[in-house]
Amino acid sequence: DTGVSQDPRHKITKRGQNVTFRCDPISEHNRLYWYRQTLGQGPEFLTYFQNEAQLEKSRLLSDRFSAERPKGSFSTLEIQRTEQGDSAMYLCASSSLAGGHEQFFGPGTRLTVL
Amino acid sequence: GEDVEQSLFLSVREGDSSVINCTYTDSSSTYLYWYKQEPGAGLQLLTYIFSNMDMKQDQRLTVLLNKKDKHLSLRIADTQTGDSAIYFCADPGYGGSQGNLIFGKGTKLSVKP
Repeated sequence: DTGVSQDPRHKITKRGQNVTFRCDPISEHNRLYWYRQTLGQGPEFLTYFQNEAQLEKSRLLSDRFSAERPKGSFSTLEIQRTEQGDSAMYLCASSSLAGGHEQFFGPGTRLTVL
Repeated sequence: GEDVEQSLFLSVREGDSSVINCTYTDSSSTYLYWYKQEPGAGLQLLTYIFSNMDMKQDQRLTVLLNKKDKHLSLRIADTQTGDSAIYFCADPGYGGSQGNLIFGKGTKLSVKP
């Protein structure tokens, strides 16, 4: 068990470009979560999946953001037409519906929008 | 809405105890969590406490929960320089669905040798 992994670890893009991040949860974890963390703040919830179903979305998740988990394993988070305000650390976490309530986090993807 | 508040900074000397405090607003949470974040890294789950407990001890960590005052604390005994990090208190939010962790802004712990 290698823990939650995220790719890429860092992404620099120009305003207006689209970016996509990937998260691989701990194997057999049913739930997968996305959070965003800006400098000096705690993580803020964006959305979560149980298997392939997206069960909850925050008001922070504007129309430019879309998340998928097509086969109930890895997930992608896409941001279209990036803005400078999207610069943040994007964190993924997973948990097991059967095993417990704890959310285990990946190392994050740091996005810088120029 | 739900909110989690923490003091932003704490500085201690190596070997002393550290106490990090947190207040929360949602009274229906099943669990409350403490996470640690080192610079440039993700969050590491340190410990949690079930809402029907007052105290939980795990090696150098002691969690105290006062449900009446909605106050949670994390005590680190014999604090080491490797404990320097940001510590976050987290609450599962309304209904404790565990779909939406609400984090405080974090307490930056500095440990001086």
